[in-house]
Amino acid sequence: GAVVSQHPSWVICKSGTSVKIECRSLDFQATTMFWYRQFPKQSLMLMATSNEGSKATYEQGVEKDKFLINHASLTLSTLTVTSAHPEDSSFYICSARLQQGSTEAFFGQGTRLTVV
Amino acid sequence: GQNIDQPTEMTATEGAIVQINCTYQTSGFNGLFWYQQHAGEAPTFLSYNVLDGLEEKGRFSSFLSRSKGYSYLLLKELQMKDSASYLCAVRSGGSYIPTFGRGTSLIVHP
Repeated sequence: GAVVSQHPSWVICKSGTSVKIECRSLDFQATTMFWYRQFPKQSLMLMATSNEGSKATYEQGVEKDKFLINHASLTLSTLTVTSAHPEDSSFYICSARLQQGSTEAFFGQGTRLTVV
Repeated sequence: GQNIDQPTEMTATEGAIVQINCTYQTSGFNGLFWYQQHAGEAPTFLSYNVLDGLEEKGRFSSFLSRSKGYSYLLLKELQMKDSASYLCAVRSGGSYIPTFGRGTSLIVHP
């Protein structure tokens, strides 16, 4: 299967600082990537759809100014959590599809963010 | 919106068979996924059903009944490594992005 790599795997940051998470498709080009957040024992909640070369589409209730998404190339999307607070501590996961109409999405290994 | 319901936790014995159910309420159903997720890791794809019936893939099988809004994931010959969370996800309404259930935490014991 296709490989999606996410970096870092875990990060601890202080309140008020910003953290950038990278999502890369290693062996395919992804025009669309998806960012999810998962709290303990909860489902994956879609935060936003990242589109290469254009603005991301955010789900209702997700602050676009707080969660900055950049999809500058066909193999890289980044999520920046700005002015992080302890309640932003969560597991962030990206995914990508091989192509339009493909049913299967491939997930990155996730990033465990802890804000202290 | 969508309402996806699956049991929170299940336990089973190594070597046994377990069935994890998922019920959903949605309009414009367009496919159901099952994913396996080990703690602290990303989900991995197990199956995709869009038509009624049973699809078998090795030790894992997935069943779908669209009229009942019901699916199950069947795991045979359970192994300790099958201890994980199993996520049911439904795609509907013309969107290609699935909505995930909360997942069922399966604990396999010797």
